[in-house]
Amino acid sequence: NAGVMQNPRHLVRRRGQEARLRCSPMKGHSHVYWYRQLPEEGLKFMVYLQKENIIDESGMPKERFSAEFPKEGPSILRIQQVVRGDSAAYFCASSQTGGDTQYFGPGTRLTVL
Amino acid sequence: DAKTTQPTSMDCAEGRAANLPCNHSTISGNEYVYWYRQIHSQGPQYIIHGLKNNETNEMASLIITEDRKSSTLILPHATLRDTAVYYCIVTVTGTASKLTFGTGTRLQVTL
Repeated sequence: NAGVMQNPRHLVRRRGQEARLRCSPMKGHSHVYWYRQLPEEGLKFMVYLQKENIIDESGMPKERFSAEFPKEGPSILRIQQVVRGDSAAYFCASSQTGGDTQYFGPGTRLTVL
Repeated sequence: DAKTTQPTSMDCAEGRAANLPCNHSTISGNEYVYWYRQIHSQGPQYIIHGLKNNETNEMASLIITEDRKSSTLILPHATLRDTAVYYCIVTVTGTASKLTFGTGTRLQVTL
């Protein structure tokens, strides 16, 4: 019974490149949440998606960041033209229904050089 | 979601019970109390949640006061592996809910 899976676990990008982070929810879960944890800070909500729909993106930076959760395949968090301030741990969580208990993945640690 | 207040840090001897308090005096009637922990820099781990009754599972017990303004997470026999940051979160279930993580309590379990 696999939990939430994220890949890659570690990602290094140079300034200006694109970063793509993937999240596969737990089996039977159709709701995905993305959180970001900056160094020495708490986790902050970014976006909540259901299959093919963005439900709440109130925590997403207005520029360069986008997220999707297609009908087939994992959810993708995409960061264009990365800057050093994007260096952080990005965690994905999933739930069976909206508002249900969220289970987290191991995270992707993004380092921008 | 209601605001929560937790002590910044706590120590506990291995084998003893760890009691982690949380104040949530502005909690609403339809809000649940959730506990998560984050070990080092791993992903947050769900521990337990409750509405108004006390709850117990294989990891911990959750005691919620009758007025629901505070709660205590109890790890009955703490081990070194329980050293982590523990987050108390109040949220409404059944609706689309983002979790709001505060600063949590850093629990250090010692020999």
